[in-house]
Parts: sequence; structure tokens; C-alpha cells
Amino acid sequence: EAEVAQSPRYKITEKSQAVAFWCDPISGHATLYWYRQILGQGPELLVQFQDESVVDDSQLPKDRFSAERLKGVDSTLKIQPAELGDSAMYLCASSLLEGNSPLHFGNGTRLTVT
Amino acid sequence: GENVEQHPSTLSVQEGDSAVIKCTYSDSASNYFPWYKQELGKGPQLIIDIRSNVGEKKDQRIAVTLNKTAKHFSLHITETQPEDSAVYFCAASNRGSQGNLIFGKGTKLSVKP
Repeated sequence: EAEVAQSPRYKITEKSQAVAFWCDPISGHATLYWYRQILGQGPELLVQFQDESVVDDSQLPKDRFSAERLKGVDSTLKIQPAELGDSAMYLCASSLLEGNSPLHFGNGTRLTVT
Repeated sequence: GENVEQHPSTLSVQEGDSAVIKCTYSDSASNYFPWYKQELGKGPQLIIDIRSNVGEKKDQRIAVTLNKTAKHFSLHITETQPEDSAVYFCAASNRGSQGNLIFGKGTKLSVKP
């Protein structure tokens, strides 16, 4: 079964440093999402893409976070500078464009900021 | 905006018993309600979903019920097995599966052999 690929699986960085996460969605999935999951809580949407366009980035802290999906396939989420409060699991998900298509999540990148 | 509350936060059952997890939502426009299972170190995996035009859906040992009037939905797992142990999340969206999923805080289910 096709999966959403994410890398790296784990990342430790010092505060004020830059960090980037990569996601490769399931082939053919036009919609891509980045969610953040703080330990012990449910995921929260950061940004949603349809192809290469941003559909919803209302929850993205734009002063330090950026996301791109230049060719409408894989995507990169960047944090610069990282803060202690950014420690969390960053999950990527994808879905087909059709309204009934469910989200498929990757296994995430666990970020620890020291 | 939408708010999803999930109860209980932890649930321990004996193997073979049933488990029920309940969620309430605040936005009457919500029309899509998925349930995800998350095992340690992995991403959430969809186990069942229901849309607002359906009151109940069943898939083998898993069923979900939706009460739109009361704005609550529930996950029922029958004949629980140790491999059902995980964290379960409910979610709601007002734009079908393409919308921003608002998740509950999760229920940690432990099934004791």
C-alpha cells in the first residue's frame, strides 16, 4: 500500500537554528497537509496545499514558519529560528482532490529543540 | 471556530470486552467525522469515517454513530484484542474530507489480555 514518506524521522536542534522537514505524498494526491502534534494532544493543521497553491495557512506562524510545494508534488516545511515551544511531531498528510477522499498521514518527524 | 471534545482520556478494558469513545463538536456545519488510530511512533491511521447524511456505519468490529441534533459521535469497538491498544482520535470538518480536520485530544485505549 502506498505511503506518505517523511524525513527525517527525528531531528534535534538548538533554539535559534533553522530546521527543515520533507514530505513526499502518495502519488497522484493533489492535496497535501502539514499538521503539528504536541505530545498528548491531537494534530493541528498548519498549512494545506492543493497542487502547488496554498489553500489554508491561517494557523501557520508566518514569522518563523514557511512551507512550499513548488512542483505540486513533494513539500518542505521550514522553521527559522526554532524555539523551545516548537518541539513536537510534524505530520504530513495527503489526499485525492475528490471530496470523499480521506487523509493519509505519514509517520512524522519528531522535532526536539534544546 | 470548531471545537471537538473527546472522552475519556484513558480507557482500560479486558480482552473481549467492548470499548466506547465519545466526542462532541460545536460547529453545526461540520459534515465529516473520521476516527484515527495512532500507535507509538507512528502517524494517525484512518480506521473509519462517517458523513453527516449517515447515522451509523460499521466495519467488522468497529462502528461509529452520529447524532447531529446533539452534535456528538461515538466509536464502538467490540471483542477488543490486545492489538487494539493505541491512542484513538476523533475529528470533525465542515468541508468534507478536504477541510481542516479539528481533532479531539485523544483516548489512550489499553486492552488487557
